[in-house]
Amino acid sequence: NAGVMQNPRHLVRRRGQEARLRCSPMKGHSHVYWYRQLPEEGLKFMVYLQKENIIDESGMPKERFSAEFPKEGPSILRIQQVVRGDSAAYFCASSPGRGETQYFGPGTRLLVL
Amino acid sequence: QKEVEQDPGPLSVPEGAIVSLNCTYSNSAFQYFMWYRQYSRKGPELLMYTYSSGNKEDGRFTAQVDKSSKYISLFIRDSQPSDSATYLCAMGGLRTSYDKVIFGPGTSLSVIP
Repeated sequence: NAGVMQNPRHLVRRRGQEARLRCSPMKGHSHVYWYRQLPEEGLKFMVYLQKENIIDESGMPKERFSAEFPKEGPSILRIQQVVRGDSAAYFCASSPGRGETQYFGPGTRLLVL
Repeated sequence: QKEVEQDPGPLSVPEGAIVSLNCTYSNSAFQYFMWYRQYSRKGPELLMYTYSSGNKEDGRFTAQVDKSSKYISLFIRDSQPSDSATYLCAMGGLRTSYDKVIFGPGTSLSVIP
């Protein structure tokens, strides 16, 4: 059973470009969570999605950030017009149900030049 | 006051030592508690998951939750160099946002051979 997959593992963007981060949950998991980890800081919750629905986006910045989890395909975290402060590791986790163990992917390291 | 506080370390112990890692939290409404281990440049890996106050043991690891004091601990017995990593406490289950997991900043542990 493959774990949570994230791609790309590393992403370099220039200021103003768009970043798209992909997450494929574990087989049988329909709940996806996105977190951001800044250097020397802990993981910060961003958004929780189920298939085709955003359940909790209380941790998402109000502008430039969006997330989706379509009926088919991976979950996408999209950052428009990236700025240097967006440089961080972005982790995706999945779980089989609400309140159940979240399993993390290897992360995507975004660097904004 | 931060929701979850954790001594960042670094903590350095000799191989075979007993390690004690701790977190305090401010919101008594958290319902479930976890410890994750994160190796450098990897995703967090779940070690322990518990709902209730008391102790839970799994091999060399023991998780302890004291809801009355809002304090959780992770003990590692017979520590090994392979235990060298950052340990993250995490909690969730708030009524307003049940699936939103709040992480501590992590404690960096080095086990010296």
